[in-house]
Amino acid sequence: SQQGEEDPQALSIQEGENATMNCSYKTSINNLQWYRQNSGRGLVHLILIRSNEREKHSGRLRVTLDTSKKSSSLLITASRAADTASYFCATDSGGNNRLAFGKGNQVVVIP
Amino acid sequence: GAVVSQHPSWVICKSGTSVKIECRSLDFQATTMFWYRQFPKQSLMLMATSNEGSKATYEQGVEKDKFLINHASLTLSTLTVTSAHPEDSSFYICSAGRQALTYEQYFGPGTRLTVT
Repeated sequence: SQQGEEDPQALSIQEGENATMNCSYKTSINNLQWYRQNSGRGLVHLILIRSNEREKHSGRLRVTLDTSKKSSSLLITASRAADTASYFCATDSGGNNRLAFGKGNQVVVIP
Repeated sequence: GAVVSQHPSWVICKSGTSVKIECRSLDFQATTMFWYRQFPKQSLMLMATSNEGSKATYEQGVEKDKFLINHASLTLSTLTVTSAHPEDSSFYICSAGRQALTYEQYFGPGTRLTVT
């Protein structure tokens, strides 16, 4: 079942700007993960945030999680042309590592 | 580490034929592998969970007789699309979970299937 749902908007930004995308979900989760997918390729794991965490950083990535609102955000700071990709959130709810993916946000970083 | 490969990366087949896709964890043991399909500009839909040495668990709406999954070893799972039809054309992606880490999954590069 598709639980994680990003705001359905494509982002087009200039290199150096920040990119923010959101994800909402419907049921309780064990963790929420963000992935990147370049066109026609597999997924690359970016960051995982557990249900008892509120914020996590990894390099230029910052993820927040608000379990009361059942939402998460991914911030990419100082974007680069290489960040151009689709970004998906995925929730793990059942404890058996089955992931429910959101619709994805396409980000285009203009050099 | 934690590399997952898929073979083939793309395949074209005629309607009615069967196609097998392999998913391998190259440098770790994967007790569980997952199969997804993705239509153009859409998200990933989980098809089934594959456990080594046991029958796969299929998601609701996925025909197990059409999508045969075999997880014969800790490093290999196969998906066979039987009697393929044009509507089966899609991007099929597998992922594998590491035995020691319960959360993170590692995804293969995907297989583009086109049924003519």
